Amino acid sequence: ETGVTQSPTHLIKTRGQQVTLRCSSQSGHNTVSWYQQALGQGPQFIFQYYREEENGRGNFPPRFSGLQFPNYSSELNVNALELDDSALYLCASSTGQRGGTDTQYFGPGTRLTVL
Amino acid sequence: KQEVTQIPAALSVPEGENLVLNCSFTDSAIYNLQWFRQDPGKGLTSLLLIQSSQREQTSGRLNASLDKSSGRSTLYIAASQPGDSATYLCAVLDSNYQLIWGAGTKLIIKP
Repeated sequence: ETGVTQSPTHLIKTRGQQVTLRCSSQSGHNTVSWYQQALGQGPQFIFQYYREEENGRGNFPPRFSGLQFPNYSSELNVNALELDDSALYLCASSTGQRGGTDTQYFGPGTRLTVL
Repeated sequence: KQEVTQIPAALSVPEGENLVLNCSFTDSAIYNLQWFRQDPGKGLTSLLLIQSSQREQTSGRLNASLDKSSGRSTLYIAASQPGDSATYLCAVLDSNYQLIWGAGTKLIIKP
């Protein structure tokens, strides 16, 4: 059984650019959740997808968007990057319709640095 | 607005000691409470999930309790080992099905 994978591992961008982060869910999981973790803080919920539909969103602006594909892999897109977007971005997969109702399995994260 | 606080922010203890990590939350309307560990530069590993109707959960040397009415949870680690060194985070699943996280307790177990 393959765990949750994320790519790339590290990324450096400049302000105003756009970025796409990718996540491959654990086999058999149809819910994916994305989190942003700033240095020294706990993660913050961005949004989650269940069977290709967004079914929950945290307090993040519309320039944060996502997709979930039929094979349950997922993308997080961030437009018009700001310095404060520098963080570790984590995705997690689970089986429940609502992420967090059962055990979530996390990927290793993508470290994004915005200069 | 749900807020989660973890005390202490950092803890250093000798190997073999039993220890308690604390987590408090402001709104008792939660579906569950979860404890995770995070190793440096890595993702999160789920340790224990306590449903709102439960009082505690155990896994090996770990025991987590939940007192929803007082907004508190504790994670008890028995016979600590150097491999337990990590940051421990708690999170509550709020009424909007969003996980709200604490900032974590950084634990160092000295050999």
